[in-house]
Amino acid sequence: SQTIHQWPATLVQPVGSPLSLECTVEGTSNPNLYWYRQAAGRGLQLLFYSVGIGQISSEVPQNLSASRPQDRQFILSSKKLLLSDSGFYLCAWKVRGWPNTGELFFGEGSRLTVL
Amino acid sequence: AQKITQTQPGMFVQEKEAVTLDCTYDTSDPSYGLFWYKQPSSGEMIFLIYQGSYDQQNATEGRYSLNFQKARKSANLVISASQLGDSAMYFCAMIPTGNQFYFGTGTSLTVIP
Repeated sequence: SQTIHQWPATLVQPVGSPLSLECTVEGTSNPNLYWYRQAAGRGLQLLFYSVGIGQISSEVPQNLSASRPQDRQFILSSKKLLLSDSGFYLCAWKVRGWPNTGELFFGEGSRLTVL
Repeated sequence: AQKITQTQPGMFVQEKEAVTLDCTYDTSDPSYGLFWYKQPSSGEMIFLIYQGSYDQQNATEGRYSLNFQKARKSANLVISASQLGDSAMYFCAMIPTGNQFYFGTGTSLTVIP
């Protein structure tokens, strides 16, 4: 069966420090991968998605970046965190090739607090 | 532009009653998928139900049903016989043709005993 893991689960970082959140998927190949951010009490904002190794699409211009060095690995990074980067970050995957069917499967989430 | 709108920030329902959570969407794509997710206080995202734009019948999954009105571009979630465990955030989502998966701002549902 397919599983998705992301870490760390909780992170407290000072403003200006770097960030790296990692997500891996097991039990499937060639998934679409997604990073979302959820601010406190808010909806999910699509940050990045990827349809293959090295292929990253950005939805929102900001100081975050994403990379996909391996088929089932998706990394969210920042060189210098801002206070506004605080939030709950969710990684998700979807079966590729199903144009608009097939649900997203989410990781456990990473709660980032920038002080 | 693709857009999902949930106009009810918070809803209350009596236990064992039915409740409808509203969702409207906007897309010019002829083919799209609509989804509902539940997010308990733990933060996990739980898939509830899916409706395809070409599906003739409304989707149902146990106590969940999706009231799909294509002409009005609405995809409301109906929860029957509410339970205390239904208290959570509920998100409507859409994937048009392509790979982006868009979510609404969510509705917080509280089930009252």
